[in-house]
Amino acid sequence: QSALTQPASVSGSPGQSITISCTGTSSDVGGHNYVSWYQQHPGKAPKLIIYDVTNRPSGVSNRFSGSKSGNTASLTISGLQAEDEADYYCSSYTSSSTPVFGGGTKLTVL
Amino acid sequence: QVHLVQSGAEMKKPGSSVKVSCKASGGTFNSHTISWVRQAPGQGLEWMGRVIPIPGIANYAQEFQGRVTITADKSTSTAYLELSSLRSEDTAVYYCARAGSVTANRPFDYWGQGTLVTVSS
Repeated sequence: QSALTQPASVSGSPGQSITISCTGTSSDVGGHNYVSWYQQHPGKAPKLIIYDVTNRPSGVSNRFSGSKSGNTASLTISGLQAEDEADYYCSSYTSSSTPVFGGGTKLTVL
Repeated sequence: QVHLVQSGAEMKKPGSSVKVSCKASGGTFNSHTISWVRQAPGQGLEWMGRVIPIPGIANYAQEFQGRVTITADKSTSTAYLELSSLRSEDTAVYYCARAGSVTANRPFDYWGQGTLVTVSS
């Protein structure tokens, strides 16, 4: 199972919005509504911020939102804050009943 | 509150094996799968496999078939990852992660703190 494709890096200024894409195939992203997103700060474990494409776990800011179109899922962060600077990973359930991760995107808040 | 606490860092020689533990507390151990996800230095996340505590069935990513064994001890709410025939490319932080249920499509809602495994001669 090949990793999902994410941009290596994105950046934005405080208060702006950014979007991170996650491209897969019809066997993963496009075939199931089970895309999740994780935020990882340096030296820390990943944290779930979006699941089932659009859902936020309790306690996660509503500045984080998810969507999907075809084989590409997206994470949007609105009202960027310094604390949002982190690595972001998408993940999808696959037709093999296993998960696959994206390569990760480093978000820089300018 | 759910906590996953992993065993400490390991230094191993090439060709040897390592066993990492992940003890769960604060939840219902038997109602969730435990996966192992690794992260090589400066790299992304890689799913290795999972175990369903009851009935103790595990499945593995193809890349690790034959080299990895994931088990669960229901009596102590602890999951284990054993990786054999270690090589330098296995140097990574290994995380255990709990899924929201035993259903395969659930995301990982709780993670352990990570265990650094270094493979070096």
